[in-house]
Amino acid sequence: DTAVSQTPKYLVTQMGNDKSIKCEQNLGHDTMYWYKQDSKKFLKIMFSYNNKELIINETVPNRFSPKSPDKAHLNLHINSLELGDSAVYFCASSQRSDRGYGYTFGSGTRLTVV
Amino acid sequence: GQQLNQSPQSMFIQEGEDVSMNCTSSSIFNTWLWYKQDPGEGPVLLIALYKAGELTSNGRLTAQFGITRKDSFLNISASIPSDVGIYFCAGPLRFGNEKLTFGTGTRLTIIP
Repeated sequence: DTAVSQTPKYLVTQMGNDKSIKCEQNLGHDTMYWYKQDSKKFLKIMFSYNNKELIINETVPNRFSPKSPDKAHLNLHINSLELGDSAVYFCASSQRSDRGYGYTFGSGTRLTVV
Repeated sequence: GQQLNQSPQSMFIQEGEDVSMNCTSSSIFNTWLWYKQDPGEGPVLLIALYKAGELTSNGRLTAQFGITRKDSFLNISASIPSDVGIYFCAGPLRFGNEKLTFGTGTRLTIIP
């Protein structure tokens, strides 16, 4: 049973399109995140949701809109895709009260904008 | 924004060698974490450190929380092929785990 699952694994799309990435966790965690990993492998947080409430929005263009229908799901919708959006996007989850900061990551969605 | 700098950026070693890498910050951290990312996968937590000076092991891996609280070290002994990957340090910028900041990564390659 995959703890944090993302779909799709790969996404190739043209500039200007709108696309969504889905994430689900079955760990019972109350906090979920989206991270972006660029070509240099640098991991940068984009959003964080706690119990469906947005708590972090890290200067991300408003073309990116996260949605959390419940605390087990956090989806990422991207409008008007640009070449610079090409990256690997990771979903992660954790329990806010967990001192261990044990983020569990999904296996990533590689987005290529052509 | 805050950046955690890792050194070295990449390492090429032979199987059986020991590995050392470090992570430094201009800010104090109260928790240091070490993650490993295999190709095509997300990062996986290896070791968590909670107190300055703390030394924690996980099999062949040993990590230390620097005394100044601005650095941390990871050692791998007797490397094996499955150690290949990217190692990241990470730490929360404030209490509560809302924002985990990751280091720049150290890529480990094992030469046959």
